[in-house]
Amino acid sequence: QITLKESGPALVNPTQTLTLTCTFSGFSLTTNGVGVGWIRQPPGKALQWLALIYWNDDRRYSPSVKSGLTITKDTSKNQVVLTMTNMDPVDTATYYCVHRPSYNNYFDSWGQGTLVIVSS
Amino acid sequence: SYDLTQPPSVSVSPGQTASITCSGDKLGDKYASWYQQKPGQSPVLVIFQDTKRPSGIPERFSGSNSGNTATLTISGTQAMDEADYYCQTWDTSNWLFGGGTKLTVL
Repeated sequence: QITLKESGPALVNPTQTLTLTCTFSGFSLTTNGVGVGWIRQPPGKALQWLALIYWNDDRRYSPSVKSGLTITKDTSKNQVVLTMTNMDPVDTATYYCVHRPSYNNYFDSWGQGTLVIVSS
Repeated sequence: SYDLTQPPSVSVSPGQTASITCSGDKLGDKYASWYQQKPGQSPVLVIFQDTKRPSGIPERFSGSNSGNTATLTISGTQAMDEADYYCQTWDTSNWLFGGGTKLTVL
């Protein structure tokens, strides 16, 4: 059974850097084709894909999201970390960690999500 | 950029068939997936690769994709199916979501 859990600050000041950690179990990020991504959802709005890291450390970022996104992995800890610099109130959202099955482009498992509020 | 368009809302009576559409340029040439999200919960995959259901998803959920439109169909809609539904596809290393459709079971 695949599980993912997001952790990080609930409140961030504008201009600060946000660091979120996804801790997962039930799969390995060394398995060919597998990926872990981040998706966010502002309150009352639609889902928006942010970034994804592959088993081979290849990384993809949303072209429609501001620059300043970085995704990394620590396979020994079963963790994926997302950092977003220069946070703005419009970045207030629930952030989800997701599992991409091997060589597929959908997300079959989602974390519970973590709400991040950007406010001074 | 590639966009996916969904109707903001769809209403259906219990026991009837609900259809939710997702439109995009030549969407039929790509795979479409669908997610169900109930209030306060994380999204759940209900259809992948246009027509396939993950284990545990009821048979009343089905999908199709042709031309510029993917469709999620819920047959014999139940009150528990009331939720937001999002379509999703992949285009040149970019995972894209539609704006979501609120399904109301009246």
